Amino acid sequence: AQKVTQAQTEISVVEKEDVTLDCVYETRDTTYYLFWYKQPPSGELVFLIRRNSFDEQNEISGRYSWNFQKSTSSFNFTITASQVVDSAVYFCALRGYQKVTFGIGTKLQVIP
Amino acid sequence: EPEVTQTPSHQVTQMGQEVILRCVPISNHLYFYWYRQILGQKVEFLVSFYNNEISEKSEIFDDQFSVERPDGSNFTLKIRSTKLEDSAMYFCASSEIGQGLYTFGSGTRLTVV
Repeated sequence: AQKVTQAQTEISVVEKEDVTLDCVYETRDTTYYLFWYKQPPSGELVFLIRRNSFDEQNEISGRYSWNFQKSTSSFNFTITASQVVDSAVYFCALRGYQKVTFGIGTKLQVIP
Repeated sequence: EPEVTQTPSHQVTQMGQEVILRCVPISNHLYFYWYRQILGQKVEFLVSFYNNEISEKSEIFDDQFSVERPDGSNFTLKIRSTKLEDSAMYFCASSEIGQGLYTFGSGTRLTVV
């Protein structure tokens, strides 16, 4: 069985602060993918990143960075210098062979 | 960048009516999926479809739901007799064979009144 835990249900930060969204996962699959999606108020799922289980290299994309640690089954997401446009719900997700299992989401509010 | 297309973006239907949600997966993808997200909750798996049959379904996917790939390009989700609690965002997804690229559509917001 797969499980994704996002312990932070809501986070508020002041603009320009850095913020880290936590994600811990469980799976018995030896090969799997991890994702982060952003869901703005309009409701669509915006793909942010995909990592496979064999690639623990951290990634940076602009103000976004991801820290994948297989030893602790974590895939955390950091936004540097947050902006109001970052306000959204962020989902961490795990894919084994077929279906994707989502976490409950973290609602991020960036206050101007 | 190839996309999964869902239509309509928003559908309102009366309780008890049948509704069909439509999806056009990415053309070379072989696996197709439907997910549901009740407002304010997490995205939940409904069903996966491969080789013209259901390969896995969740307990949510009961007899009132069905899926079909009627013409080789569309992938549809039918809800036979909608209930108020079927109001949700429905996401279609498709993937390459095995564990390849996995892409979600932008969703159809279903409102049952």
